[in-house]
Amino acid sequence: SQQGEEDPQALSIQEGENATMNCSYKTSINNLQWYRQNSGRGLVHLILIRSNEREKHSGRLRVTLDTSKKSSSLLITASRAADTASYFCATAFQWMNTGFQKLVFGTGTRLLVSP
Amino acid sequence: NAGVTQTPKFQVLKTGQSMTLQCAQDMNHEYMSWYRQDPGMGLRLIHYSVGAGITDQGEVPNGYNVSRSTTEDFPLRLLSAAPSQTSVYFCATSVLSGSPETQYFGPGTRLLVL
Repeated sequence: SQQGEEDPQALSIQEGENATMNCSYKTSINNLQWYRQNSGRGLVHLILIRSNEREKHSGRLRVTLDTSKKSSSLLITASRAADTASYFCATAFQWMNTGFQKLVFGTGTRLLVSP
Repeated sequence: NAGVTQTPKFQVLKTGQSMTLQCAQDMNHEYMSWYRQDPGMGLRLIHYSVGAGITDQGEVPNGYNVSRSTTEDFPLRLLSAAPSQTSVYFCATSVLSGSPETQYFGPGTRLLVL
């Protein structure tokens, strides 16, 4: 399977603390993306990092990418109760011999931020 | 703009019944796709389309059909529902057909097959 894996599967922290979740994948990629899913809702795109980038920031989010280890991490700083959600990484790679680049999603990390 | 809409939100079927899950977008995106989400499995690609009249299979296409007659609509058809198709189905769109960058997801359809 080309599916990525996130760890931990679940993470429980207090408001104000930082949350770090990791993603590992198996194939060469064009980019890696992180999505958030609130309970019972669709996924929302958070941030994209290209294969030639090592770190990217967006507000309280910091993403790193290590292509030699085929891994990425998402750091949420100064977490809030509203950050409670599941977080998924998705890797984009060439799909067979088509010109199409497919997204493969990991299994997700469930984050609970308590007030 | 409504973005990506899906109907119905929830459906119960009996084994062997057929139904169509609707997906519509008003963003003029070329690329549309269907995923299913099962506990502990992440999202798996069922079918995708890179433009009107063009569709192709994803990772788990068996038991599902799609068509893309317009840019806006991408319905997913279950021909003969099975309990293994109990899942949450998401439609997603992207602005670049050859290189899916940010994908925009609909709210999902929760399907229960008895």
